[in-house]
Amino acid sequence: QTVVTQEPSFSVSPGGTVTLTCGLSSGSVSPMYYTSWFQQPPGQAPRTLIYSTNSRSSGVPDRFSGSIFGNKAALTITGAQTDDEADYYCILYMGSGIYVFGTGTKVTVL
Amino acid sequence: QVQLVQSGAEVKKPGSSVKVSCKASGGTLNSYPVSWVRQAPGQGLEWMGGILPVLGTANYAEKFQGRVTIRTDESTNTAYMELSGLRLDDTAVYYCAIGESLDVWGPGTTVTVSS
Repeated sequence: QTVVTQEPSFSVSPGGTVTLTCGLSSGSVSPMYYTSWFQQPPGQAPRTLIYSTNSRSSGVPDRFSGSIFGNKAALTITGAQTDDEADYYCILYMGSGIYVFGTGTKVTVL
Repeated sequence: QVQLVQSGAEVKKPGSSVKVSCKASGGTLNSYPVSWVRQAPGQGLEWMGGILPVLGTANYAEKFQGRVTIRTDESTNTAYMELSGLRLDDTAVYYCAIGESLDVWGPGTTVTVSS
């Protein structure tokens, strides 16, 4: 069974930079997995930030960027703001119409 | 911009089934892949399955194979997710999302399974 792993939590200071990663239990994440990233503030539905590894969704601030970092997908928040405090999830496309979410990262800004 | 409206909260008994709907406005649902995602209380997001309406083919996560059915109704621009054999741990918020990158999300439907 495929497991997609993310850091459980991160803390960042306002104005700081944080990089979240999304890895596979076996193997490397490549652009072929079409990684998307989602932000979910407490009590709200998820919102798409990044799709296809590094494309920003409409209306998403450019302080959010996606990339491949080593053998993982990565989401970088540059110049973190207090309203960036949320849970962040990645999703990988495994082929044949199947997707798998990552375990999620809770980001605290303080 | 397509918007999604989901059906209301449900309370179900263990062993029963639930059907959640997801109606699109501002666009044609058939133009997009549709995914269903759930989130148990305090837990992460879980992809359950999806459908390509133009092909009518659905794919399901292995965990839900045999218990979940996803379909769309072109005439009403609505997608449906039916989960059978409900267990207490199926209590969750169920979301629909459209697009290859799950670009647009519905507000979620709370399903509570309780005896």
